[in-house]
This record gives sequence, structure tokens and C-alpha cells, in this order.
Amino acid sequence: ILNVEQSPQSLHVQEGDSTNFTCSFPSSNFYALHWYRWETAKSPEALFVMTLNGDEKKKGRISATLNTKEGYSYLYIKGSQPEDSATYLCAPTISGSARQLTFGSGTQLTVLP
Amino acid sequence: DAGVIQSPRHEVTEMGQEVTLRCKPISGHDYLFWYRQTMMRGLELLIYFNNNVPIDDSGMPEDRFSAKMPNASFSTLKIQPSEPRDSAVYFCASSPGWETQYFGPGTRLLVL
Repeated sequence: ILNVEQSPQSLHVQEGDSTNFTCSFPSSNFYALHWYRWETAKSPEALFVMTLNGDEKKKGRISATLNTKEGYSYLYIKGSQPEDSATYLCAPTISGSARQLTFGSGTQLTVLP
Repeated sequence: DAGVIQSPRHEVTEMGQEVTLRCKPISGHDYLFWYRQTMMRGLELLIYFNNNVPIDDSGMPEDRFSAKMPNASFSTLKIQPSEPRDSAVYFCASSPGWETQYFGPGTRLLVL
């Protein structure tokens, strides 16, 4: 079982603020890093899948970076909106188990209007 | 496509009863996953299938849990007998490969 840590556990920001959070994972045998967004009372929804060291992905106001050598990924949200309020989960996979996602406990983001 | 379909959406049962959760994956997806979400353990993988064959069931908590996939469009997760500690939200997800997994709406199970 992979040790996946996400920080902070929860975050409250004002509408318009930019924010970021961290996902840390073991760097050995790394295969891919998945980011999911999970709104209350809904199901997790994929944001990004990243595989290459130094990779950066963007979707609207949300972007993510990946450092596979040191085992971390950052998720950034620019100009947060109330609809960004959700729990953001990361899940790394390792070689030989590319389909087995080990989810972190998530960062719960609340954007206050 | 309707996405991943799960039924029932909510289930309340008494300890000792058999519970069957159902999942219809997205058509064409070769992989199907069963997850459980609890406050204590977060979102954890129970078992996954490739082309209807169970590949890894190491996450299944006990022998009381079993999962089947009789065809490409249907899977079941069964708990027999159920216990209060099985209360959780159970998600089914499907994917065409190793990348994005598409989650169903979940089944919220309460065992009294």
C-alpha cells in the first residue's frame, strides 16, 4: 500500500483568491499520478493524469505540476470560485499496478463568496 | 452514454442480512473497479476486473465480501452476512485502460 499524503487537510479561501495544495507519494516505481475532484454528494471526477517528470497540465483555472524524482505534485486554482468548493484527491500508481489507484485523504477546499 | 450506473442508490438493512450492490459499467470499458469510502479509511479499492476476470481482490476486507462480473455490462458486490461496520458508500468505476476511471454515483449502505 502506497503512503500518499495530501496537505493541507482543509482550506478556506475567499472568492477570487488563488490557492494551491500538495500531494506527496513514494517516488520509487512511479507510473502515474491522478487528480480527482469530488463534490459533496457526487462522485469523484477525473481532472488530470500525469506521467512525466516536470509535466504540467491545465484545465481552465486549474493546473497541476508533477515532480516524480522527489515524489510530489501541486494543484493550483487561480481565482477561486464558490463552485470550486470540493475535495481534491490525488492517487499515484506504480509500475506493474498501473490501474490500482491509491487515493490520498484529500484536501477539502471551501471557497467563500 | 449514461455513465456508470449503480443500484440501489441507498440501502438500509439489518445485521446478518445479505446485501447485493449492482453496477453497469460504461459500454466498451474493459476495466471495472469496486471502491469503498469510509471516514476512517477514505476511498479504498476493493477489487477490479479486466474483461470480466477478477485481477486483484487484495482489498476485499473479508470472506463475507464477494464480487462477480458475469458479463461485460454487469457486476455485483455481495456482502453476506452484513455487519454494521460495513456501512459505507460503495462506488463502482470503469475505465477503458490505465488512465481515467469514471465513477458511478455510489450506493450508500447502512447496516443496522
